[in-house]
Amino acid sequence: TQLLEQSPQFLSIQEGENLTVYCNSSSVFSSLQWYRQEPGEGPVLLVTVVTGGEVKKLKRLTFQFGDARKDSSLHITAAQPGDTGLYLCAGVSDKLIFGTGTRLQVFP
Amino acid sequence: DAGITQSPRYKITETGRQVTLMCHQTWSHSYMFWYRQDLGHGLRLIYYSAAADITDKGEVPDGYVVSRSKTENFPLTLESATRSQTSVYFCASSEGQGWYGYTFGSGTRLTVV
Repeated sequence: TQLLEQSPQFLSIQEGENLTVYCNSSSVFSSLQWYRQEPGEGPVLLVTVVTGGEVKKLKRLTFQFGDARKDSSLHITAAQPGDTGLYLCAGVSDKLIFGTGTRLQVFP
Repeated sequence: DAGITQSPRYKITETGRQVTLMCHQTWSHSYMFWYRQDLGHGLRLIYYSAAADITDKGEVPDGYVVSRSKTENFPLTLESATRSQTSVYFCASSEGQGWYGYTFGSGTRLTVV
């Protein structure tokens, strides 16, 4: 069974701080996706990273795919309350395998 | 409006009853999926479908039945609900397998008492 472990599980920070969320697996994936889920809603796709070592930026969010395509990170610069939510990584094989999730709370 | 719609949003049912959760998408996506989300377990795949009349089991299919007679609809039926099936259920659709992103519905919160 392919597993994706995310860390930390919970993160509570003040507005303006930087943070990094990690997504690790022992399996190699063809690509990896990041989703954000807000309370009462389904996950929404943020980005797909495909190539080992790839870095993608989405405003204040920076996503990186590990060289070996087994891990990924999400870095948020100057977090804002609107970034609050559950962040999920998902490894792509024949189906999506979702990570355990990181719940982020950003206080004003 | 285009998108993926789940109904009902909330459902309370009794143990042993049959209940059906509905999912409708207007994207004409080939693939549709049912997940359940539970604290400590994340999102787990129940069933998926690659096209009309083609369905396959996911990670946790026991106690569930699906059908897909039309591309746009993918209902999930709990044949005899149990308390362990209390969960939030999400339907998703995608253009294909692999790196295509999934579009999720807003979920159905099911409580089995």
